[in-house]
Amino acid sequence: DAGVTQSPTHLIKTRGQQVTLRCSPKSGHDTVSWYQQALGQGPQFIFQYYEEEERQRGNFPDRFSGHQFPNYSSELNVNALLLGDSALYLCASSYQGSETQYFGPGTRLLVL
Amino acid sequence: AQSVTQPDIHITVSEGASLELRCNYSYGATPYLFWYVQSPGQGLQLLLKYFSGDTLVQGIKGFEAEFKRSQSSFNLRKPSVHWSDAAEYFCAVGGNDYKLSFGAGTTVTVRA
Repeated sequence: DAGVTQSPTHLIKTRGQQVTLRCSPKSGHDTVSWYQQALGQGPQFIFQYYEEEERQRGNFPDRFSGHQFPNYSSELNVNALLLGDSALYLCASSYQGSETQYFGPGTRLLVL
Repeated sequence: AQSVTQPDIHITVSEGASLELRCNYSYGATPYLFWYVQSPGQGLQLLLKYFSGDTLVQGIKGFEAEFKRSQSSFNLRKPSVHWSDAAEYFCAVGGNDYKLSFGAGTTVTVRA
C-alpha cells in the first residue's frame, strides 16, 4: 500500500519565479493538506483541499494557491517566489471524518 | 487559537536510558493530540494519537504518551531509548477545523 508521495524531492528556483509541487494521497484518502516547514521550525498549515475545493486556509498570502483533482491528488502553486519561501513543503492526506493526517516525504524548495 | 509549546529544544540521552519529551497545548475545546517523529531530510511519521478515552496511549516503536487535561499536557515517553530513536519529535494539536498546529520540535540525540 503506497503512502503519500510527493514530487519533486528537491527544487531550486530564483526570486520572482513560480513553482508547482505535486502530491498523491495515500490509497483510500480523499483529503489533502499542505504544510510549510522552515528550517528549525515545526510545520505551518497552508491549506486543506476536500472535494476539489479549499475548505480551510492558514495564514499564508494569496501567492500560495492549490488545486485538487478528481483522483484526489493535489498541487501547490507558489507565485512570485521570495527568499523566505525556501522550506520543506509537506503534503498530508486523510479521509473525510478522520482527524489523523499522514505525511509524505516532502519537497525541499530553495529560492535563490 | 490553538497552539503547542515544546519547552525542550534539545535533549541528549544515553542509549538504554528513559526518555520523556514535554508538550503543552492550548485549545478551546476537546483536542486531538498527536506525536510525530522526523528523521533528517524525511517527512513526518505518526507515533501515536489521542482522541478520547484512556489517557495513556500506546504508539509504535515502544513510545507512549499521557494526556493530562488539568495540566494541558501530552508528554511522550519511552522506557529504554535505542540509537535509532535519534530524530526530531513534534507534538501537534488538532480539532474540528481540519488543521494541525505543531510545536517547534525537540531534537533528541542518543549517546552510546
